[in-house]
Amino acid sequence: KAGVTQTPRYLIKTRGQQVTLSCSPISGHRSVSWYQQTPGQGLQFLFEYFSETQRNKGNFPGRFSGRQFSNSRSEMNVSTLELGDSALYLCASSPWQATNEKLFFGSGTQLSVL
Amino acid sequence: DAKTTQPPSMDCAEGRAANLPCNHSTISGNEYVYWYRQIHSQGPQYIIHGLKNNETNEMASLIITEDRKSSTLILPHATLRDTAVYYCIVRSNSGGYQKVTFGIGTKLQVIP
Repeated sequence: KAGVTQTPRYLIKTRGQQVTLSCSPISGHRSVSWYQQTPGQGLQFLFEYFSETQRNKGNFPGRFSGRQFSNSRSEMNVSTLELGDSALYLCASSPWQATNEKLFFGSGTQLSVL
Repeated sequence: DAKTTQPPSMDCAEGRAANLPCNHSTISGNEYVYWYRQIHSQGPQYIIHGLKNNETNEMASLIITEDRKSSTLILPHATLRDTAVYYCIVRSNSGGYQKVTFGIGTKLQVIP
């Protein structure tokens, strides 16, 4: 099985722009979650989608949004980019939402905001 | 969600066992303990998980105390490739939805 695929791998944007990141989960996985990782804050939960519905959301401003499609692929969007949005954005998939399922992470998208 | 506490960094000699502790004193009965590791600029990789019994797989062993308030990840023979940040997390389904809380992890440096 192919792993979790995130595109693009690297992205450079300027302040005020918007960006869309893509995540393709492992085939058959229905849950996709997103995380932001910065050196100062570590790995922080953004949101989780299951069956095209956002099931949970972390403490991020409304500029961060996402969606999931019927094939379980997910996108996240960040509008009006700020310098502080520079980070590694990771997505993870799992088959279901059960507590005893492991997460499979992609390699992430490294976003730099100039 | 239960929060975890880990030492920010540890060193281990190559070939020796690496014992990484994690405190999760507020863990609830249905929460599992998971360990992941992250090598620089890659996504975290699953290592092992458990509920209350000790677990072992080809990568590591997980020892959970009887009261479940702490656990230890054991890498039996550390190699240089085990140098990474190790995350201990607890997973719950709050209201049926998945929530995951990562801490800052432990940066393990394996020394030749």
